Amino acid sequence: AQSVAQPEDQVNVAEGNPLTVKCTYSVSGNPYLFWYVQYPNRGLQFLLKYITGDNLVKGSYGFEAEFNKSQTSFHLKKPSALVSDSALYFCAVRDKPPGGSQGNLIFGKGTKLSVKP
Amino acid sequence: EAGVAQSPRYKIIEKRQSVAFWCNPISGHATLYWYQQILGQGPKLLIQFQNNGVVDDSQLPKDRFSAERLKGVDSTLKIQPAKLEDSAVYLCASRTHQGSKGNTIYFGEGSWLTVV
Repeated sequence: AQSVAQPEDQVNVAEGNPLTVKCTYSVSGNPYLFWYVQYPNRGLQFLLKYITGDNLVKGSYGFEAEFNKSQTSFHLKKPSALVSDSALYFCAVRDKPPGGSQGNLIFGKGTKLSVKP
Repeated sequence: EAGVAQSPRYKIIEKRQSVAFWCNPISGHATLYWYQQILGQGPKLLIQFQNNGVVDDSQLPKDRFSAERLKGVDSTLKIQPAKLEDSAVYLCASRTHQGSKGNTIYFGEGSWLTVV
């Protein structure tokens, strides 16, 4: 079964410093990987995805993620954090149900990012 | 392009009462999902529709939860009777099957349910 793990409950970063939010995955076959962000009292907003191609994926708001097949990781990164980046971040993998139908997303438990001025 | 619309945004009910949530997906999106997000956890799928047919409802507690998408567009999720553990955010999401966005699932703002 597909799964993702986000090993950190919270990440604290000073504004202007680089940030990394970690994600590892377990899938059979080639993974479809996603990052979403959730601001307080809001739904999930899509940030970026890896389907195929370049291992470095660029997304919204200056975020990027690096797909590493050997380490089964898909860490989210940003070169310079902003206070407004403070939110809950979810890594997800596309489920691949039998029969070849399009699956839904399996989410990690989320990582709270706190950026201090 | 309008996003996924959900209502109501917030609802407080007593246990054993019923509640219904409505969702209108992004126009043209054939696949619609309902997820449940309990505080401190990631969202978990309740049910997935493609057009007006159910693709996956294996994790839907069918003794109290029901969902429909009769005309293949908007959808309703109902809980009856509600339990305290149903307190959560109910997220509706949709996906097209076409083009470069076909692999991306887009979420609404969520319906926040508190059962007291």
